Amino acid sequence: EVQLLESGGGLVQPGGSLRLSCAASGFAFSSNAMSWVRQAPGKGLEWVSAISGSDTYFPDSVKGRFAISRDNSKNTLYLQMNSLRVEDTAVYYCAKDLPGSGWQFDYWGQGTLVTVSS
Amino acid sequence: QSALTQPPSASGSPGQSVTISCTGTSSDVGGYNYVAWYQQHPGKAPKLMIYEVSKRPSGVPDRFSGSKSGNTASLTVSGLQAEDEADYYCSSYAGGNNLNVFGTGTEITVL
Repeated sequence: EVQLLESGGGLVQPGGSLRLSCAASGFAFSSNAMSWVRQAPGKGLEWVSAISGSDTYFPDSVKGRFAISRDNSKNTLYLQMNSLRVEDTAVYYCAKDLPGSGWQFDYWGQGTLVTVSS
Repeated sequence: QSALTQPPSASGSPGQSVTISCTGTSSDVGGYNYVAWYQQHPGKAPKLMIYEVSKRPSGVPDRFSGSKSGNTASLTVSGLQAEDEADYYCSSYAGGNNLNVFGTGTEITVL
């Protein structure tokens, strides 16, 4: 059974940093592309980063502030978030890529809440 | 990259069908057969319902179907059931570094 478990969310001041983790199990983590998707309170979904092998991808809204990485020995995905803004407040989901589907996601974690506020 | 456009809400009675649209551009929906639909119940993570325009993952009822014409994709839910009441988001591959763009979301209400 595929499981994705996020952690690391919390309250942080504007300009601060936070690192999210996603522990994966039940599939070949090292050979699978992964992404982070966020959802601001009461709002829609927004893709924020992806990693495939050593290649990483970001939308303009977080480029230069967020970094994605993985530790295949620990089956864990990370999202390092720097220079956080109030508008980064959201539930952050870890998502597994469905291979060959054009970056669509067949499994999602339960999410971790990040609140950016002074 | 702008979000794909969906109607805010749609509704139908049990047993009826409802279709929701997802409008993008030739750079996303119209340019690739990589459109997906996700169902999200309140407080829960999204669930993949349709991928590659019209394919269903294992376990998704065949009441859910997808299609695409030009820059607009559609999701049809036939034989509406109470448990289908949820938010639905479309998503498309968008190429380049902006790999993925989501729709604005549609709330389906079962009357």
